[in-house]
Amino acid sequence: NAGVTQTPKFQVLKTGQSMTLQCAQDMNHEYMSWYRQDPGMGLRLIHYSVGAGITDQGEVPNGYNVSRSTTEDFPLRLLSAAPSQTSVYFCASSPLTGEGETQYFGPGTRLLVL
Amino acid sequence: GNSVTQMEGPVTLSEEAFLTINCTYTATGYPSLFWYVQYPGEGLQLLLKATKADDKGSNKGFEATYRKETTSFHLEKGSVQVSDSAVYFCALDGSGYALNFGKGTSLLVTP
Repeated sequence: NAGVTQTPKFQVLKTGQSMTLQCAQDMNHEYMSWYRQDPGMGLRLIHYSVGAGITDQGEVPNGYNVSRSTTEDFPLRLLSAAPSQTSVYFCASSPLTGEGETQYFGPGTRLLVL
Repeated sequence: GNSVTQMEGPVTLSEEAFLTINCTYTATGYPSLFWYVQYPGEGLQLLLKATKADDKGSNKGFEATYRKETTSFHLEKGSVQVSDSAVYFCALDGSGYALNFGKGTSLLVTP
C-alpha cells in the first residue's frame, strides 16, 4: 500500500497562474479532504468529499475547486493563484464509518505564490 | 462551533525530561479526540486517540486521557528522547469526518 500520495512536492507559481494539486489513495477510503497548514494557524479544512461525485466546502474554500470522479483521486485546483495561497497543502483520507476514525495524511505539497 | 486550544510552543526539553502538552476543547456532544504528530518534512500521523470519556490513548510511551469534566486531553510522556522532536497537534472529530485542529506545539528535545 502506498497510502496517500501527493504531487508535486513543491511548486512555485506566479500570481494569476492556475494549477492542480494531485492526491490519490489506495486504501479504498470513502472520505478524502484537503487541508492547508500555515504558521501559527494549525490545519484548516478547505474541501472534503464523502464519496465519488460528492464534495463540500470546509472552513476556507475560497479560491479552490475540487471534484471527485473516482474513489481514489481527489485533486485540488487553484484557478487563479494569489500570494495568500502560499502554504503547505495536505490531503487526507479515512473510512467513513463514523466518529473516531483515523485520518491518513499525505506528505504534503509546499506551494509558493509570487 | 467546535474548537481546540493547545499550549503554545516552542517547548524545549532535555532528553529524559517529563513532557506535558495541554489541550482543551469546546464541542457539542461527545467528540473523539486525537493527537497527531508531524516530524520535520513529513505529513501528519496519528499518535493516539480516545473516543469516549475516561478513555486513555497510548502509543510510543505517550499517553492522554479524555477528561470530559475538564474538557481536556493533555499529552504526556515520562521520558522524552531526541527522536520525539516534532510538532504535536491536538484535534477533535465531532462530525464523523472533519477534524478541528489546534495550532500545534513544537517540541525540541536536546541531548
